[in-house]
Amino acid sequence: KQEVTQIPAALSVPEGENLVLNCSFTDSAIYNLQWFRQDPGKGLTSLLLIQSSQREQTSGRLNASLDKSSGRSTLYIAASQPGDSATYLCAVMDSSYKLIFGSGTRLLVRP
Amino acid sequence: DADVTQTPRNRITKTGKRIMLECSQTKGHDRMYWYRQDPGLGLQLIYYSFDVKDINKGEISDGYSVSRQAQAKFSLSLESAIPNQTALYFCATSDARGQYTDTQYFGPGTRLTVL
Repeated sequence: KQEVTQIPAALSVPEGENLVLNCSFTDSAIYNLQWFRQDPGKGLTSLLLIQSSQREQTSGRLNASLDKSSGRSTLYIAASQPGDSATYLCAVMDSSYKLIFGSGTRLLVRP
Repeated sequence: DADVTQTPRNRITKTGKRIMLECSQTKGHDRMYWYRQDPGLGLQLIYYSFDVKDINKGEISDGYSVSRQAQAKFSLSLESAIPNQTALYFCATSDARGQYTDTQYFGPGTRLTVL
């Protein structure tokens, strides 16, 4: 059974810092890995999708990497801003097209 | 207007009541999903549907049922609500354009409290 783990569970940093969020998964038979952002009272917003054959994806200040063989992904956020404060969820799409989610990292960027 | 809408957004009910949560989408997607999120946890899949005639159980389907009334509508029912079904419920859609690039689009969520 696929399991997705995110570390740390919570993170507080001062504005301007670069930071890394970690995600690990137990079964490498995935189609893709996705990072989502969740704001309080709102749904999830897709940030980045990395196909299983890819190593990384970039969008603005965000860079996500994937090492499928070791079951790991990282989300790198450069020059963090208070507006980046949210919960970040990692999810893998398994062979039956289901998304399996981690429990998230709650990020607070202090002004 | 939002592409994926959920009604109601908030609901408080009592143990034993039947509750229906509704989801509508204007994205024209075939696939729809219902998830549950408990505080501090990720999302768990309750049911999913790949087209109008296809309904599948997810990880935690016990105590829930669904109806896919049309391509655009997917409803979740709690037949007899119990307090441990208190959670945030999300509906999502996807267009199945390809397994490697398939992503999901989420509604804003329904916060359900069962007393």
